[in-house]
Amino acid sequence: KQEVTQIPAALSVPEGENLVLNCSFTDSAIYNLQWFRQDPGKGLTSLLLIQSSQREQTSGRLNASLDKSSGRSTLYIAASQPGDSATYLCAVITSGTYKYIFGTGTRLKVLA
Amino acid sequence: AAGVIQSPRHLIKEKRETATLKCYPIPRHDTVYWYQQGPGQDPQFLISFYEKMQSDKGSIPDRFSAQQFSDYHSELNMSSLELGDSALYFCASTNADTQYFGPGTRLTVL
Repeated sequence: KQEVTQIPAALSVPEGENLVLNCSFTDSAIYNLQWFRQDPGKGLTSLLLIQSSQREQTSGRLNASLDKSSGRSTLYIAASQPGDSATYLCAVITSGTYKYIFGTGTRLKVLA
Repeated sequence: AAGVIQSPRHLIKEKRETATLKCYPIPRHDTVYWYQQGPGQDPQFLISFYEKMQSDKGSIPDRFSAQQFSDYHSELNMSSLELGDSALYFCASTNADTQYFGPGTRLTVL
């Protein structure tokens, strides 16, 4: 059974820092992995989607990498801003299924 | 670009009442997924439909039922509501690799 874990559970950093959020999954046979952002009480905003054949994706200040063999993905946020404060969720689709299994989330707070 | 539409956006019900949540997928998307996110929890898969047939089922209570109609929209019916059903319910649609999520329906059971 696929399990997705995110570390750390919460993170508080000063503005301008570069930071790394970690996501690990137990079954490396994944179809894809996606990073989402969620503001309190709001919906899911898709940030980056990495297909199983890809190693990384970039969008603006965000870079996500995928290492399937070790069951890990990282989300790198450069030059963090207070507006980046939110919960970040990673989710995987295991091969042979089509549903997302979500991680436990990292609650990020960027201090001005 | 058209997105996934969910209605209503907010719903307040009493215990033991019934609720119906609706999801309108992106045009030409044939697959719909439902997820439930409890307070402080990560989203959990409930059920999915492909071409109007149930394709997968997660931890969905027997009190819940869902279907996908001929126009591909989907409805999640929830009966005998309990306090623990209070959550954000997401619908997602896809016709290929990527699931596109709707804004969610926030259900509050009093």
